[in-house]
Amino acid sequence: DSGVTQTPKHLITATGQRVTLRCSPRSGDLSVYWYQQSLDQGLQFLIQYYNGEERAKGNILERFSAQQFPDLHSELNLSSLELGDSALYFCASSADRGLNQPQHFGDGTRLSIL
Amino acid sequence: EDKVVQSPLSLVVHEGDTVTLNCSYEVTNFRSLLWYKQEKKAPTFLFMLTSSGIEKKSGRLSSILDKKELFSILNITATQTGDSAVYLCAVSFPGNTPLVFGKGTRLSVIA
Repeated sequence: DSGVTQTPKHLITATGQRVTLRCSPRSGDLSVYWYQQSLDQGLQFLIQYYNGEERAKGNILERFSAQQFPDLHSELNLSSLELGDSALYFCASSADRGLNQPQHFGDGTRLSIL
Repeated sequence: EDKVVQSPLSLVVHEGDTVTLNCSYEVTNFRSLLWYKQEKKAPTFLFMLTSSGIEKKSGRLSSILDKKELFSILNITATQTGDSAVYLCAVSFPGNTPLVFGKGTRLSVIA
């Protein structure tokens, strides 16, 4: 158990809809990262938050957005969903504070668009 | 563009065999190289390597980094069916910026 909690585990929805994925980082971790994993693309970084502020942005579509709340949990919002958005979405967290600490991953949310 | 390349893409071995997985990288501002094991769900952290030539070991798994030649290897000895997974290599950068992952090596260990 990595200590990173993601909900829900599975999500099935239709094209055009909007969903919210939730992540609680490990206790004490200030950085949260979101990744998308699809069969052909591997693990792709989407966005990072550190202590409530956006820190880095990767290949995140404009239809996607995220935020990190004062209690450090984070949400990833996906809107106007398309079939190609079907993937595993992982959240990871790390301690940051200038230490070289590894990122630890949650179990992911499997999103299926019908 | 930062690049992490793993080889082979897939591998099938018999229980008891020893395997070596490779990870090479071309990045700027290297900080560390990480290995993860991914079975059905979350990538699970295995090793983080920051210095050349120092082997990290955990049971039957070991890994080493060569910062001059820009690669790392992950060795698994006396493989077991439970070692079947995708092994991911990633590079980290200063400032805790996002990891860059390779596409992984899918290892299948058959009895």
